[in-house]
Amino acid sequence: DTGVSQDPRHKITKRGQNVTFRCDPISEHNRLYWYRQTLGQGPEFLTYFQNEAQLEKSRLLSDRFSAERPKGSFSTLEIQRTEQGDSAMYLCASSLKTGLTDTQYFGPGTRLTVL
Amino acid sequence: QQQVKQSPQSLIVQKGGISIINCAYENTAFDYFPWYQQFPGKGPALLIAIRPDVSEKKEGRFTISFNKSAKQFSLHIMDSQPGDSATYFCAGMDSSYKLIFGSGTRLLVRP
Repeated sequence: DTGVSQDPRHKITKRGQNVTFRCDPISEHNRLYWYRQTLGQGPEFLTYFQNEAQLEKSRLLSDRFSAERPKGSFSTLEIQRTEQGDSAMYLCASSLKTGLTDTQYFGPGTRLTVL
Repeated sequence: QQQVKQSPQSLIVQKGGISIINCAYENTAFDYFPWYQQFPGKGPALLIAIRPDVSEKKEGRFTISFNKSAKQFSLHIMDSQPGDSATYFCAGMDSSYKLIFGSGTRLLVRP
């Protein structure tokens, strides 16, 4: 399969624990995005990378959230000291900017439940 | 303000009918407007997209109509099928390439 993959698909954790999610983009895509989606809402932007450089973060991303993309390939999103409000679907998307086009392809998401 | 407003929140259409979902945006810097389809438990999948220099784009049963002066765009699904039942999101892309999504429309197509 050549689509965006995310691991794990589901994560249940207790409040205060740290969690880490992984995203593998489509091969050769130079951009990688993280979004958060809560029930009944559209995805909200968290951060994005062009190759290994993190170019923008949303104000939603508190200091408990951090993301990395070592070597410009896969990316990880870590949430420290999880809170119940962090329960959501975390979506990863990747794109290959060519000319005016920057079509983002989404992965299946990681559903986080914080108890 | 980068908000994208989407309506209706939910829509029920009979098989073979036309489904229409509307979106309005505020940020005139948006230069790319995709529509995504999302099934339960899955990530959003790109359906169709348009740039503001075009007033209409059609791909199969799906058509985007775009009104730049009104800052509005809509998705029309012709000959709606039960398999089209899903949540649809409109979005605008800003100059930093992040997507700003609407709140979604849950479509149910009855057989």
